[in-house]
Amino acid sequence: AQSVSQHNHHVILSEAASLELGCNYSYGGTVNLFWYVQYPGQHLQLLLKYFSGDPLVKGIKGFEAEFIKSKFSFNLRKPSVQWSDTAEYFCAVKRTGRRALTFGSGTRLQVQP
Amino acid sequence: EAGVTQFPSHSVIEKGQTVTLRCDPISGHDNLYWYRRVMGKEIKFLLHFVKESKQDESGMPNNRFLAERTGGTYSTLKVQPAELEDSGVYFCASSEEGHGYTFGSGTRLTVV
Repeated sequence: AQSVSQHNHHVILSEAASLELGCNYSYGGTVNLFWYVQYPGQHLQLLLKYFSGDPLVKGIKGFEAEFIKSKFSFNLRKPSVQWSDTAEYFCAVKRTGRRALTFGSGTRLQVQP
Repeated sequence: EAGVTQFPSHSVIEKGQTVTLRCDPISGHDNLYWYRRVMGKEIKFLLHFVKESKQDESGMPNNRFLAERTGGTYSTLKVQPAELEDSGVYFCASSEEGHGYTFGSGTRLTVV
């Protein structure tokens, strides 16, 4: 069965530190890839997505992600985090021909001022 | 534009009772999805409507769950009878064809 793995369940960083959250998926076919964020008390919001083309994708709020097909990975990065980035981050995969998303278990990021 | 609206935001019910969750998608969005997150685990797909038709209900856990989408507008998800393991956050999302999802804020269901 297809799965999505997020290796870090809880990450604590100081402001201005760099962030990288790992995401790996197990499906071998063509996929669309997403990162969602859920800020405390808010709904899930799309940070960025990859469908095709340039494997380095830039999203909102200074986030970016790189799709490495050979590694089945789609890691999320931000060079300098802010306290307002405190949230839970979810990687998700959509297989070609299906509408459903398969999510990872989420990574809770806590940024300390 | 108004987003995806879910209510109630929280529901606490006793085991064996019935609960109905509601989702109002963005107007004009034919696609409506239900997802669930149980006990801090991954968010799991439940089902997908296209207008009033169930396109994919492969994620529905068992026959205690019934989803409907009246006239292709709002959707309800009924759990009857509720069990302890049904506790979690139920998310709804909607989309236009070829576009990404917009999620609602979720309904936190606690079965005691």
